[in-house]
Amino acid sequence: GDSVTQMEGPVTLSEEAFLTINCTYTATGYPSLFWYVQYPGEGLQLLLKATKADDKGSNKGFEATYRKETTSFHLEKGSVQVSDSAVYFCALRSSGGGADGLTFGKGTHLIIQP
Amino acid sequence: DTAVSQTPKYLVTQMGNDKSIKCEQNLGHDTMYWYKQDSKKFLKIMFSYNNKELIINETVPNRFSPKSPDKAHLNLHINSLELGDSAVYFCASSREGAGVSAEAFFGQGTRLTVV
Repeated sequence: GDSVTQMEGPVTLSEEAFLTINCTYTATGYPSLFWYVQYPGEGLQLLLKATKADDKGSNKGFEATYRKETTSFHLEKGSVQVSDSAVYFCALRSSGGGADGLTFGKGTHLIIQP
Repeated sequence: DTAVSQTPKYLVTQMGNDKSIKCEQNLGHDTMYWYKQDSKKFLKIMFSYNNKELIINETVPNRFSPKSPDKAHLNLHINSLELGDSAVYFCASSREGAGVSAEAFFGQGTRLTVV
């Protein structure tokens, strides 16, 4: 079955540091890949997505590139802020389509210190 | 307007009780879901409901049942609550016609505590 593996935290960084959160996946067919963010006490929000190989998703300074050869979708940001502190989830949707829902990784808790 | 709204936000109840969580989406989506997030933040799909088709995760106990009065609502009923049901439950929706690339929109979550 489909699965997503991401580094587990917490990951603690200083403000303005470079961020990488690794994500690798196993899926049938050609999945779409997503990063969701969950701020404290809130629901999940879509951060970015990529739907085919070599696509780059970007939003709010975050980027991730769909790498089919390494089955990876690592999240990066050049300079993090305290407001980026949250839990980040890598997810995929495989060729089963919408009704099968998203498969999530276990989440990475990111803490940014001033 | 909130795209996906669920109520209540917090629910504390005793073991053995029956409870419901309501979910409504105003996005015109045709697929709705329930996810469970455990204490370690792990998210797992429980149900998806699309055009009268219900897909159930086989690990979900039959004490849990989704009810959809119309396309905009998918409520979650839980019978005979157990301590292990304590978690945050998220409702979500997506547009099935968008296929594999369809993103899901999530509600704020309902924190259920069984005592």
